[in-house]
Amino acid sequence: AQSVTQPDIHITVSEGASLELRCNYSYGATPYLFWYVQSPGQGLQLLLKYFSGDTLVQGIKGFEAEFKRSQSSFNLRKPSVHWSDAAEYFCAVGVSFSGGYNKLIFGAGTRLAVHP
Amino acid sequence: DGGITQSPKYLFRKEGQNVTLSCEQNLNHDAMYWYRQDPGQGLRLIYYSQIVNDFQKGDIAEGYSVSREKKESFPLTVTSAQKNPTAFYLCASSIRTGRVQYFGPGTRLTVT
Repeated sequence: AQSVTQPDIHITVSEGASLELRCNYSYGATPYLFWYVQSPGQGLQLLLKYFSGDTLVQGIKGFEAEFKRSQSSFNLRKPSVHWSDAAEYFCAVGVSFSGGYNKLIFGAGTRLAVHP
Repeated sequence: DGGITQSPKYLFRKEGQNVTLSCEQNLNHDAMYWYRQDPGQGLRLIYYSQIVNDFQKGDIAEGYSVSREKKESFPLTVTSAQKNPTAFYLCASSIRTGRVQYFGPGTRLTVT
């Protein structure tokens, strides 16, 4: 069955420090992968996506993610964190079904806190 | 401005009452989705609709119902049969065969 694991429930970093959020997926076919960010009480905003091609993808707000097929991972990185990056981050894998229906399977999320 | 609106932002109901959550989009998307979010569990799919007058159950459809009479609108009814209705509900949309889903701001439902 398809699944997404985000091993870290909470992460705290200092402002200006680098960040890496981990994501592992289980999916038999070639996955398409997403990272979304959610501020408290808000909806989800798409940070970046991977469909094919270059395994290092750039997103908004200075984030990037690297797809590693051999490790079934899609980790999110940022070289220097800003206080405004404090939020919850969700990794998701897209699954395609016949008829063109696409389903997203989400991880449980990682809550990021940023110390000044 | 194109986007997805959900209303109200906060909703309070007594146990045993049905309640309907609104979702409207002006992105001209064919597909719409409802998710439920609980702390520490990520998002789980309740219902989805690829076209008007058609919808399918997701992973946790029991106790919920939907309708899709217009392309722009996909209301979700939380019925009294839903055992744990208190949650944050998110609506999303995409082009019909699109891989990217865009989310609304959510409605927090509290049932006491």
